[in-house]
Amino acid sequence: DVKVTQSSRYLVKRTGEKVFLECVQDMDHENMFWYRQDPGLGLRLIYFSYDVKMKEKGDIPEGYSVSREKKERFSLILESASTNQTSMYLCASSFEYSGFSYEQYFGPGTRLTVT
Amino acid sequence: GQQLNQSPQSMFIQEGEDVSMNCTSSSIFNTWLWYKQEPGEGPVLLIALYKAGELTSNGRLTAQFGITRKDSFLNISASIPSDVGIYFCADLVNTDKLIFGTGTRLQVFP
Repeated sequence: DVKVTQSSRYLVKRTGEKVFLECVQDMDHENMFWYRQDPGLGLRLIYFSYDVKMKEKGDIPEGYSVSREKKERFSLILESASTNQTSMYLCASSFEYSGFSYEQYFGPGTRLTVT
Repeated sequence: GQQLNQSPQSMFIQEGEDVSMNCTSSSIFNTWLWYKQEPGEGPVLLIALYKAGELTSNGRLTAQFGITRKDSFLNISASIPSDVGIYFCADLVNTDKLIFGTGTRLQVFP
């Protein structure tokens, strides 16, 4: 079974703090993704990565950065947290073969509250 | 932009009933994925479909990839209380970016 784990289920941070969200997958997947999910807005892609040290901007990268130093680990960084970054953050990973990416598997999510 | 419309938006059914929901798109897709999400949890993949016309089952769940490649349906037979949640269809755009449908909220009463 594919397992995607996220470092925290719930996190409360203050405005201006630097926040790290960690994601680890155990299936040797090439691709990893960070989304945020908000009521009425659905799932929105923040950043994704095809390989170690590679990153691509998603639809809403502003205010975020990412790091992928190892294949199994993908970190999302909020350089200076703001209240509008309060959200549910979801990490996902997928297998790639011959240029085609297959279904994405999600972690349990991190509910971040910025006060 | 590409949109996935799911119907119905919500369903309130009695335990034991069968459920059917569908997803339609304005564009042709090569993949249909069905996820279930429970409150406070991440989406869990239920079924993945990669071929037009493909019919796939996973226990009490059955999903089909429409022939036109613009729609898919998910059926749940003999529903039970733990089927409660939000069901999302999803498609892979450009083979890697996922777009989610609007969701169908299912409530099962004993």
